[in-house]
Amino acid sequence: ETGVTQTPRHLVMGMTNKKSLKCEQHLGHNAMYWYKQSAKKPLELMFVYNFKEQTENNSVPSRFSPECPNSSHLFLHLHTLQPEDSALYLCASSQDSGAGDVYGYTFGSGTRLTVV
Amino acid sequence: AQSVTQLDSHVSVSEGTPVLLRCNYSSSYSPSLFWYVQHPNKGLQLLLKYTSAATLVKGINGFEAEFKKSETSFHLTKPSAHMSDAAEYFCVVSEGGYQKVTFGTGTKLQVIP
Repeated sequence: ETGVTQTPRHLVMGMTNKKSLKCEQHLGHNAMYWYKQSAKKPLELMFVYNFKEQTENNSVPSRFSPECPNSSHLFLHLHTLQPEDSALYLCASSQDSGAGDVYGYTFGSGTRLTVV
Repeated sequence: AQSVTQLDSHVSVSEGTPVLLRCNYSSSYSPSLFWYVQHPNKGLQLLLKYTSAATLVKGINGFEAEFKKSETSFHLTKPSAHMSDAAEYFCVVSEGGYQKVTFGTGTKLQVIP
C-alpha cells in the first residue's frame, strides 16, 4: 500500500445512478487530487484541493462533484454519467499543491469505473 | 507550453537484458522530470525524479535516467530486466505548479522469461 487508499476498487453503475468514490490518505499531506486515466490517453487532472480548498476544476462536467471535508479525505460524487466516463479514477496526494511537481505525487490504486 | 513524448507505446525485452524506455520533452523553462511506474491494477509509483541537480538520476529497483538538455531527452534505463519490471511506465514533465504537470501516454514494458 502506498498510503493513499481508494474505495471501491471497481464500480459498475447505470447512467441514472448516483455513486461516490472515496480517497483517504494518512501521510500528513495537505493537497489531494483527482485524475482520470483513460486508455491510450495521458492522465487528465480533474480537481485539486489544497488545505481543503478547491484550487482547480479542470473544466470537468458538473456530473462529477468533488468534496474534501478535511485534508485526509477526498470524495468524488457521480451522477448521470455517460459511457465515455468509464475509466480508472486515480486519487493522489502531495505535501501541498506546490510540492507535487518537485517531490512527486503519491497515488492510490484507483477505482475502475464502468458506466453502462 | 511543455509537452512530453514517449517514443514507444510497447517495449519487449528478455529477462536479464537491458531496458531502455525513451522520453523526449519540450519545455520553455528548466523543467522537473519524473518517471512513474504502474503495475496492473495499481496506482502510479514514483520511480525517480530530476530537479536540476545531478543529470544522472538513480531511482528505485535499479532504474536510472539521464537528463540530456541538448537532446531534450530523459530516457529510463536498467541494466538487467526482471520479470517484476513488467508494467507501464510514464514520463512526466513539470514547469512548476500542478497546472503545468504533463504526463506522457505511457510505455508498456513486457519482460519475456
